[in-house]
Amino acid sequence: NAGVMQNPRHLVRRRGQEARLRCSPMKGHSHVYWYRQLPEEGLKFMVYLQKENIIDESGMPKERFSAEFPKEGPSILRIQQVVRGDSAAYFCASSRTGPNTEAFFGQGTRLTVV
Amino acid sequence: SQQGEEDPQALSIQEGENATMNCSYKTSINNLQWYRQNSGRGLVHLILIRSNEREKHSGRLRVTLDTSKKSSSLLITASRAADTASYFCAPWEGGADGLTFGKGTHLIIQP
Repeated sequence: NAGVMQNPRHLVRRRGQEARLRCSPMKGHSHVYWYRQLPEEGLKFMVYLQKENIIDESGMPKERFSAEFPKEGPSILRIQQVVRGDSAAYFCASSRTGPNTEAFFGQGTRLTVV
Repeated sequence: SQQGEEDPQALSIQEGENATMNCSYKTSINNLQWYRQNSGRGLVHLILIRSNEREKHSGRLRVTLDTSKKSSSLLITASRAADTASYFCAPWEGGADGLTFGKGTHLIIQP
């Protein structure tokens, strides 16, 4: 059973471009979480999704950021018109039945905006 | 959703010693989880303790939970160099809230 797979591992975008980060949860997991981490900082919660539904997006910036978890395929975190401040590591995690069980994390996507 | 606050922010001990780190939170919880992060990598789940539990063990790890004080502690016994990492707690209230994390405790084990 493969773990949580994130791709790409590294992504470089110019200011103003779009960044699309993908996350394939573990098999049998229908709950996905996205986090952002700046250097030397903790993980900042962004959004919690459960197959086709956004459950909690309290940590998501109101503009330029969106997330989806379609019925088929990976979860996507989309950042439009990236700015330098978006440079960070973005981690995805999945769990089987929600935050009442352990979450498994991917290795992250490191986004650099130049 | 609430996040835990880990204390101390950084801890440096000699290999073989025990390491204790604490987590405080503000409101009632359903469970509390501890995770470890090695530099630049994803978090790894260590232990989940439910609100009706007071203590849990896993190998060299011991977690306690005091709901009256709204605090938890993680003890790592007989530390090893490989335990060098950042440790995070995640208190979960329940419902639709996602898991949130604080800034963590950065543990360094000196050989």
